[in-house]
Amino acid sequence: DAGVIQSPRHEVTEMGQEVTLRCKLISGHNSLFWYRQTMMRGLELLIYFNNNVPIDDSGMPEDRFSAKMPNASFSTLKIQPSEPRDSAVYFCASSLQGAGEQYFGPGTRLTVT
Amino acid sequence: AQSVTQLGSHVSVSEGALVLLRCNYSSSVPPYLFWYVQYPNQGLQLLLKYTTGATLVKGINGFEAEFKKSETSFHLTKPSAHMSDAAEYFCAVSDRGANDYKLSFGAGTTVTVRA
Repeated sequence: DAGVIQSPRHEVTEMGQEVTLRCKLISGHNSLFWYRQTMMRGLELLIYFNNNVPIDDSGMPEDRFSAKMPNASFSTLKIQPSEPRDSAVYFCASSLQGAGEQYFGPGTRLTVT
Repeated sequence: AQSVTQLGSHVSVSEGALVLLRCNYSSSVPPYLFWYVQYPNQGLQLLLKYTTGATLVKGINGFEAEFKKSETSFHLTKPSAHMSDAAEYFCAVSDRGANDYKLSFGAGTTVTVRA
């Protein structure tokens, strides 16, 4: 079975540009989590969805960040406009509700210059 | 709210020596417990988990962890370190039975293995 798929794997953009990160869940999973990892702050939960519904977005840094689940297997995380401090590795993870464990994608390394 | 404490941000062991990574949690009820490993430039990979039943849990790559309720601990061990074990390790907990499926992660422990 394919794991969590993220694209792109690397993104370099200039400050002020819009960035869209994409994630495909493991088939059959119904919970989706977006994380950000930096050296300074470690692993931070940004937002998570259950059955396509956003449950907790308290970790989203500011209004420049938005996330959607247009269908049960796909999610996007958008940053508009991007800033250098958004540079990080962004992970998505999926899980089967009730199972507890989350399965992580390979991450998108974002660099904003 | 749960919290996870990993004692020691860096651990250095010799190849063939015991690996011991410490994890303590605070939770009002026995939680689900997890250990994840992250190799450089990769995502987190599940090593093992405890949900219920036997308190000694075996995972991949020869790792195991023991849930000790009285000590609120879930320490990770491997009897003999291999060079390929060099990575960052994260302990995580989630509420048992709650509708909130967030994981609370520890800060991570980086393991280096000396030849």
